[in-house]
Amino acid sequence: DTEVTQTPKHLVMGMTNKKSLKCEQHMGHRAMYWYKQKAKKPPELMFVYSYEKLSINESVPSRFSPECPNSSLLNLHLHALQPEDSALYLCASSQDQNPYEKLFFGSGTQLSVL
Amino acid sequence: AQSVSQHNHHVILSEAASLELGCNYSYGGTVNLFWYVQYPGQHLQLLLKYFSGDPLVKGIKGFEAEFIKSKFSFNLRKPSVQWSDTAEYFCAVKGYSSASKIIFGSGTRLSIRP
Repeated sequence: DTEVTQTPKHLVMGMTNKKSLKCEQHMGHRAMYWYKQKAKKPPELMFVYSYEKLSINESVPSRFSPECPNSSLLNLHLHALQPEDSALYLCASSQDQNPYEKLFFGSGTQLSVL
Repeated sequence: AQSVSQHNHHVILSEAASLELGCNYSYGGTVNLFWYVQYPGQHLQLLLKYFSGDPLVKGIKGFEAEFIKSKFSFNLRKPSVQWSDTAEYFCAVKGYSSASKIIFGSGTRLSIRP
C-alpha cells in the first residue's frame, strides 16, 4: 500500500462551521505534512509532524488546528474559516524528515468556504 | 531568500518534440532537488530527485534532469514527449537539514498536442 488517503474529497462549509479533514497512510511513514494549494499555484507548507510531534508550523492562523493521533493518521480541524481559505488541502507523508526522502501526496480535499 | 524559479508558466509542444523545462533555485547551502508532476485530476507524484553523486538523474517515464551547481539549475528534459505527458510540473528544493522545508516552484503547465 503506497497510498495516502484523504477524506473527504470535497467539502463546502460556512464560516461558522467546524469541520475536520482526515489523512491516513499505512506505509510506516513517520513524517506527515499538510499543504495548501491554490489554483495554478504551488503547494504551500502548513504543518509538519515528525514521530507524531508537531515539528514545523508555518505561522498558520489558529483557525487551522492539526492533530496527529497516531503514526498513521493526521487530521486538520477547521473552525471559523474565511472565504480566502478556499483551496485544495493536500496531505503528504515521507519515511521521515530526512532531506532526501520523497513525499507521497494524497489527492487532496477541495475546500470551499462560503 | 530561498526560492525556486520556473520561468516557463505554460509550454505547448507537439508529440515527439523534445522538452526542456527550466528550474533555477536560490538556497544558501547544500540542496536536494526534486521534480514533481501532477497529471490532470491526480495527486502530485515524484518524477525524479537529486541528492548526491551523478548530477544527471534519470526518473520515471523517460524524464531526466541535470544538476548544474555553478548555474543553480536543475532543468528537466525528455527527448520525445507524448500526449500523456500533459501535466503540471513542479521543481522543488530542500536543504540538507531535517528541519528544512521543501520549497516548490510556481509550476509549469505542459500541454501536448496529439
